[in-house]
Amino acid sequence: EIVLTQSPGTLSLSPGERATLSCRASQSVSSSYLAWYQQKPGQAPRLLIYGASSRATGIPDRFSGSGSGTDFTLTISRLEAEDFAVYYCQQYGSSPETFGQGTKVEIK
Amino acid sequence: EVQLVESGGGLAQPGRSLRLSCTASGFTFGDYAMSWVRQAPGKGLEWVGFIRSKAYGETTEYAASVKGRFTFSRDDSNSIAYLQMNSLITEDTAVYYCTRPIYGSDSYYFDYWGQGTLVTVSS
Repeated sequence: EIVLTQSPGTLSLSPGERATLSCRASQSVSSSYLAWYQQKPGQAPRLLIYGASSRATGIPDRFSGSGSGTDFTLTISRLEAEDFAVYYCQQYGSSPETFGQGTKVEIK
Repeated sequence: EVQLVESGGGLAQPGRSLRLSCTASGFTFGDYAMSWVRQAPGKGLEWVGFIRSKAYGETTEYAASVKGRFTFSRDDSNSIAYLQMNSLITEDTAVYYCTRPIYGSDSYYFDYWGQGTLVTVSS
């Protein structure tokens, strides 16, 4: 199975700053089948990005995804208060589906 | 509006069984596979498995950690997906999310999630 490693584990930033989150796969992810989710405390995850770079319905354009092969990035251009959360990547290019361990974006 | 509502969680002793339900609305349930993802307390997300639609034979796939103990089923007439959990172990303690999967290549991503139901396995 494909192992996804996210870095950093925690990102401490201030509102208005840019956040760059990394997701590295142990082997190439087929056709950039990579998704990103946001999870706030006590809530279910919410889909942000699929296909490495396509925003899900209703997701603001300050969220963007990029990458291919084994290296993927989620960028939040200017952090807003509601963006402080945990972010997970997930690959769906090969079975079984696997998730990264998460990156927590916290207020500095 | 797509909604997924889980129920059936609670406390179970090791070795016992529990059945979770996921009631769906806002989309044509029978056209979609349905999937489950779990999250142990303070931990990350773990795919549990899925059941395909009737058009694909309602075939199932399971994570290695639950294969042989968990069973998926579905009732398309009532838009309900089920997760039957047998021979529970303490490592099954988690919030279980029902999700609507979207097919990619060999597997799925998840565009809608329920609010989750907590399963605690403890003596």
